[in-house]
Amino acid sequence: AQKVTQAQTEISVVEKEDVTLDCVYETRDTTYYLFWYKQPPSGELVFLIRRNSFDEQNEISGRYSWNFQKSTSSFNFTITASQVVDSAVYFCALSDQKSNYGGSQGNLIFGKGTKLSVKP
Amino acid sequence: SAVISQKPSRDICQRGTSLTIQCQVDSQVTMMFWYRQQPGQSLTLIATANQGSEATYESGFVIDKFPISRPNLTFSTLTVSNMSPEDSSIYLCSVVGLYGYTFGSGTRLTVV
Repeated sequence: AQKVTQAQTEISVVEKEDVTLDCVYETRDTTYYLFWYKQPPSGELVFLIRRNSFDEQNEISGRYSWNFQKSTSSFNFTITASQVVDSAVYFCALSDQKSNYGGSQGNLIFGKGTKLSVKP
Repeated sequence: SAVISQKPSRDICQRGTSLTIQCQVDSQVTMMFWYRQQPGQSLTLIATANQGSEATYESGFVIDKFPISRPNLTFSTLTVSNMSPEDSSIYLCSVVGLYGYTFGSGTRLTVV
């Protein structure tokens, strides 16, 4: 069965610190997709990144970077030089076995989320 | 990616009443998903709605409590029936397109 584990429930850092949010997943599929979403206090889900199972290259987008390692089934997210506006709940998610979303119909399986608080 | 308009954004309801949440998508999509997010929790899939057929419910969710309509390829509604305080949650709809998943802005429901 598919499963996403975010072991860190809450993290608190001081502004400008770097922070890494961990995500470990379980799946029997050979083709799957991984996602990160940000949920600020307002409640909407903000898409950050998607990664397919065949692309293990790390990705950097501004202060955000992602480290995908299939050998350890991990997809960790690092924020460099954190800012107060980064305070939110961050969810890691996995497309389930019915989906390869590049045309298919499955839903997402979410981790429990990590609440990040960045203090000034 | 698709744009979803979800209404209402929030509501406070009396126990025993029902609330219907609407999601309008700016493009045609085959599947729409409804999620519940209880306070401080992750998102849990309620059901998958396919146009022209009955929704498929996940374990723990039943049609009598969460009836779903999907009259066309751009619109769906979720009704939370006979509400109790335990139904206080954020409800979100979602669609999957060629480039990924899009979520509505959510409906924050408080049952008193």
